[in-house]
Amino acid sequence: SQKIEQNSEALNIQEGKTATLTCNYTNYSPAYLQWYRQDPGRGPVFLLLIRENEKEKRKERLKVTFDTTLKQSLFHITASQPADSATYLCALGGMDSSYKLIFGSGTRLLVRP
Amino acid sequence: GAVVSQHPSRVICKSGTSVKIECRSLDFQATTMFWYRQFPKKSLMLMATSNEGSKATYEQGVEKDKFLINHASLTLSTLTVTSAHPEDSSFYICSAPTGGTGNQPQHFGDGTRLSIL
Repeated sequence: SQKIEQNSEALNIQEGKTATLTCNYTNYSPAYLQWYRQDPGRGPVFLLLIRENEKEKRKERLKVTFDTTLKQSLFHITASQPADSATYLCALGGMDSSYKLIFGSGTRLLVRP
Repeated sequence: GAVVSQHPSRVICKSGTSVKIECRSLDFQATTMFWYRQFPKKSLMLMATSNEGSKATYEQGVEKDKFLINHASLTLSTLTVTSAHPEDSSFYICSAPTGGTGNQPQHFGDGTRLSIL
């Protein structure tokens, strides 16, 4: 069956450390993968997109990797801050001709001051 | 940047009421919009794809007669939950891609919290 898995348990880290979140998928062939941030009671906000032919993408303190052999993406936040505390969602896209995204259930990140 | 506005942000109503939720793209045109439903601590579940000028495409298991979608213009899509019941209570979110190709970010509204008493 098709699955997208993100750690359901919250990730609790100390301010200044690097947070690493994982997204694994099964029986999908995405052309691209996106990461979003969602705060409580709000809609997701786009962070980064990485295509299947890209290994790594960076934006400021954020870095995402995409390994289509392992069917895995890693999302890193360096020098984490309490303001980075939120739920982070991965989403797979480009599996057909539509713009549809299939979302993982998200990982909640808590950054302690 | 691209902004999607969703209204209302919260609705509380009695069972049997029909509720309309609006999703507007404020500074770009959206021929396609998406409607999601999200349960607490769960993923966004895609309900349907709203297509300007044509019928919406519903995901498997979503009742099209229950969740009516109308994409009246290039900047407006509406979702009407007809004869809502307590099990329809949820967080509904819309989104729209800004680009002309699929691999573009989607911009989300801030969601509508629907509570049916």
